[in-house]
Amino acid sequence: AQSVTQPDIHITVSEGASLELRCNYSYGATPYLFWYVQSPGQGLQLLLKYFSGDTLVQGIKGFEAEFKRSQSSFNLRKPSVHWSDAAEYFCAVVGYGNKLVFGAGTILRVKS
Amino acid sequence: DAGVIQSPRHEVTEMGQEVTLRCKPISGHNSLFWYRQTMMRGLELLIYFNNNVPIDDSGMPEDRFSAKMPNASFSTLKIQPSEPRDSAVYFCASTRETGRNEQFFGPGTRLTVL
Repeated sequence: AQSVTQPDIHITVSEGASLELRCNYSYGATPYLFWYVQSPGQGLQLLLKYFSGDTLVQGIKGFEAEFKRSQSSFNLRKPSVHWSDAAEYFCAVVGYGNKLVFGAGTILRVKS
Repeated sequence: DAGVIQSPRHEVTEMGQEVTLRCKPISGHNSLFWYRQTMMRGLELLIYFNNNVPIDDSGMPEDRFSAKMPNASFSTLKIQPSEPRDSAVYFCASTRETGRNEQFFGPGTRLTVL
């Protein structure tokens, strides 16, 4: 079965520091991958997606992610974090039956 | 453009009562999804519709839960009777084409069953 692992439940970074959130997936075929962000009390908003082509994907709010097939990873990065980036981040893969399978999420805290 | 609309935003009810959550998807989207989010289980897909037809309801926890989509612009998720363990945030999402396209999420309904 398809699965997504986000190994870090919480991450704290200083404002202005770089950020990398890890995501590993399990899926036999070519995956369709997504990163979503959820601010407190809000629904999920798409940051970026990967279907094919260039393995480095640019998204909104200065985020990017790199697809590495050999490592089954799709890590999210940002070179300089802003306090407004504090939120919960979800990695997801489209699995069997075209259903999105979400990871458990990573809560990002930003300290000033 | 209006996004996915959910109502109510908050619902507090007593155990045993019927609860109905409502969702209006984005116009032109033909797939609609109901999710439940809890601290313990994270985001779970309950059911999804394609062109108003239920495609996969394997995530519906038990017979107390039911969902309908009578037309392309409206869906309901009903819990009858409700139990405290149903307390969660319920999200509705819609997309134009299942699988390849972004799912747009509503703001959610926070349900508390006392």
